[in-house]
Amino acid sequence: GENVEQHPSTLSVQEGDSAVIKCTYSDSASNYFPWYKQELGKGPQLIIDIRSNVGEKKDQRIAVTLNKTAKHFSLHITETQPEDSAVYFCAAIPMDSNYQLIWGAGTKLIIKP
Amino acid sequence: EAQVTQNPRYLITVTGKKLTVTCSQNMNHEYMSWYRQDPGLGLRQIYYSMNVEVTDKGDVPEGYKVSRKEKRNFPLILESPSPNQTSLYFCASSRTVYNEQFFGPGTRLTVL
Repeated sequence: GENVEQHPSTLSVQEGDSAVIKCTYSDSASNYFPWYKQELGKGPQLIIDIRSNVGEKKDQRIAVTLNKTAKHFSLHITETQPEDSAVYFCAAIPMDSNYQLIWGAGTKLIIKP
Repeated sequence: EAQVTQNPRYLITVTGKKLTVTCSQNMNHEYMSWYRQDPGLGLRQIYYSMNVEVTDKGDVPEGYKVSRKEKRNFPLILESPSPNQTSLYFCASSRTVYNEQFFGPGTRLTVL
């Protein structure tokens, strides 16, 4: 079945610098890749998603890139701010299970002032 | 206001005492899901439902039951809770699995 690996598990960056979180997946037919942000004490919230017919998507300081050949997708956050500190999860939907989202283990992003 | 509600938010119980955690959404979503979150293990899906009367097992279904008798509600049932089910539980809903999932506030369960 599908497996989603997420790295790093913890990422500490200086405020204003960029942060990159990478996920790899095993099912080459996976076609939907969302990213969720979980702030302390809250449920996860979608921040951006990408579908397999697109290579990159941007929303202000956040971007996601998809490399279908290498089977990985990455979250890029530029000009990081203190409010970016949170746990970020990636996910994918494999073709053999069209109703189940497979999640990465999460990355704790720490923004140092 | 569009939202997913869960009750209770906090629960301390004892081994073997049946309990139900309710989940309700007011967005007319077809897809609903239950997750548990444990430190270092991320989000693990327990059960999901594609529509009324259609449910399927996720990654960690053992010890849990669900039902989807109506679109808005998706209760999680623990028939005989055990200490290893102590966790933070989230309910989520979305239009389909390919759309944004809206998460509830979470239920922190402790089984003694």
